[in-house]
Amino acid sequence: GENVEQHPSTLSVQEGDSAVIKCTYSDSASNYFPWYKQELGKRPQLIIDIRSNVGEKKDQRIAVTLNKTAKHFSLHITETQPEDSAVYFCAASPPYNFNKFYFGSGTKLNVKP
Amino acid sequence: ETGVTQTPRHLVMGMTNKKSLKCEQHLGHNAMYWYKQSAKKPLELMFVYSLEERVENNSVPSRFSPECPNSSHLFLHLHTLQPEDSALYLCASSQEPRGNGNTIYFGEGSWLTVV
Repeated sequence: GENVEQHPSTLSVQEGDSAVIKCTYSDSASNYFPWYKQELGKRPQLIIDIRSNVGEKKDQRIAVTLNKTAKHFSLHITETQPEDSAVYFCAASPPYNFNKFYFGSGTKLNVKP
Repeated sequence: ETGVTQTPRHLVMGMTNKKSLKCEQHLGHNAMYWYKQSAKKPLELMFVYSLEERVENNSVPSRFSPECPNSSHLFLHLHTLQPEDSALYLCASSQEPRGNGNTIYFGEGSWLTVV
């Protein structure tokens, strides 16, 4: 089955700096890669996603890049703010596994004011 | 936001107790999921139901028993749990088959502590 690895496990940045979280996946058939943000005590919420027919997607301060050849994808947050502090999860989903999502182990992002 | 609601939010139970977690989705989805979230571990898929039929059982111990009476409701029945079962249990839903824009939506979770 699919295996998703996520790095780093913790990331601390100064407010205004950029943050990058990286994930690798093992199954080349995976074609959907969402990113979730989970604030303390809250549910994971989708913040951005990308499909395998696209190399990059941007939504305001958040962007995701996908390298299918290398089987890795990354989340980029620019101009970080304290409210960006949360745990971020990447996931990969192959088409034949019925919307089954394989999650990374999460990255705890701390944005220092 | 009331898309996926879970009750109770917090549960403390003894190892000999029997309890149930409840999930309800108001999104018109036809698939529902139970995930387990433990500290410093990836989200673990436990069960998947599609159109009220179980399509995935991810080697979960029999002390966890799911029930899906209809496409809007999902239960997780718990009995004779172990302390290592203490975790956040997340319910989620999605629309199948997966098309553009489909993803899974999570509930707030039920914090379970087994004593």
